[in-house]
Formats: sequence, structure tokens, C-alpha cells
Amino acid sequence: DTAVSQTPKYLVTQMGNDKSIKCEQNLGHDTMYWYKQDSKKFLKIMFSYNNKELIINETVPNRFSPKSPDKAHLNLHINSLELGDSAVYFCASSQGALSYEQYFGPGTRLTVT
Amino acid sequence: GQQVMQIPQYQHVQEGEDFTTYCNSSTTLSNIQWYKQRPGGHPVFLIQLVKSGEVKKQKRLTFQFGEAKKNSSLHITATQTTDVGTYFCAGRTARQLTFGSGTQLTVLP
Repeated sequence: DTAVSQTPKYLVTQMGNDKSIKCEQNLGHDTMYWYKQDSKKFLKIMFSYNNKELIINETVPNRFSPKSPDKAHLNLHINSLELGDSAVYFCASSQGALSYEQYFGPGTRLTVT
Repeated sequence: GQQVMQIPQYQHVQEGEDFTTYCNSSTTLSNIQWYKQRPGGHPVFLIQLVKSGEVKKQKRLTFQFGEAKKNSSLHITATQTTDVGTYFCAGRTARQLTFGSGTQLTVLP
């Protein structure tokens, strides 16, 4: 059973388009995260939700909007995609915020052309 | 803001050699976590250190947390090809969790 799943695995799209990435965890965790990993492997936290409430919102363009319909899901919607948005996006979850081990999804490789 | 520096950025070793990666924070940390990411994979949690001066071992891996809780290290004894990947530290303060830039380890057979 996959603990943290993301769809799609690959996403190729043109500049200016709007796209969404979905994330689901079946671990019963109460905290979920979105990370961006660039081509140099640098991993940066973007958002974190605890019990469906936003608790971390790093300096991210407001074109990125997370949505958490319930504790098991955290989706990421991106408007007006730019070339610099090309990266691998990881979803993660943990039981409790920040101090607990995080379980990462397989990642979504976004390529903006 | 909080910064977590990790060195070296890249390390190539012959199989059987030892390997160490170092993590330094600009601020005192509540705890530090270590993750491993295999090529093409996702980060996988290895361990969490909480106490000042703490040392933990997992088989050939030894993790240390500095006395001042601002630095940490991961040492691998007698590397194997299965150790290939990128090792990240992640330092936590009250309000932030910041990942280091990672060390990409290549093990040559």
C-alpha cells in the first residue's frame, strides 16, 4: 500500500497554463506539506497544513495555492505557470508538525516549456 | 531567516572508504533530522536527534548533534554501493524546518 501518493508523476505544460497536483496520504497523519526541489536538488518547504489549517506559508508566489479538503489530502494548484516553476514537487506528511519524521510521496516532475 | 549549510556538496568515494557530511545552522535548533534520497527517488527519513551532544548509530551510520545544537554530522563507515544518494539534514526551530542543501554521495565500486 502506498503511504503518500501523488498524481500525476510527470506533468509537461506550456507557460501561462494552470495545473494542479494532487496528494493523498493513508497514514492517518494530521500534517501535510508541499516541497519544491530544484535542479540542484535544493529542497524547500512551500506550505504545511495541520488538521486542514495552513501553518506554514513560506515566501512563495501567490500563483501557488494549496487546498486541503480533508486531513488526508493536500492539493497544489498553480496559476499562470512560468519556466522557473519547472522542478520536482514533493508532498509529505507527518503525525504532528515539524518535529516528527516526514513521509514523502514519489514526487511530481513539472516541466514548463 | 534561518540558514542550514551542508558540506560537502558532492563526495566521491571508493567502496569501502568512509564518508562524512556536515550540517551547520545559523541558529540554535530544537532538533535535527536526516534524510536520504536515492537517485530518482524521494527523501526517506533516517533519524532525528534532539539532545545536545547526542550520538546515534544505525549499523554503519553514525549521527551526531553538536553540544550547542547548531551543528550535526552523519558518518558512514566502509561505504557500499547501496549508500549512493543525496543526504539531507533538516534543522528545526520553533517556527521553521529548513533543509540543508544536501550532499550527493557517489560510491565507486
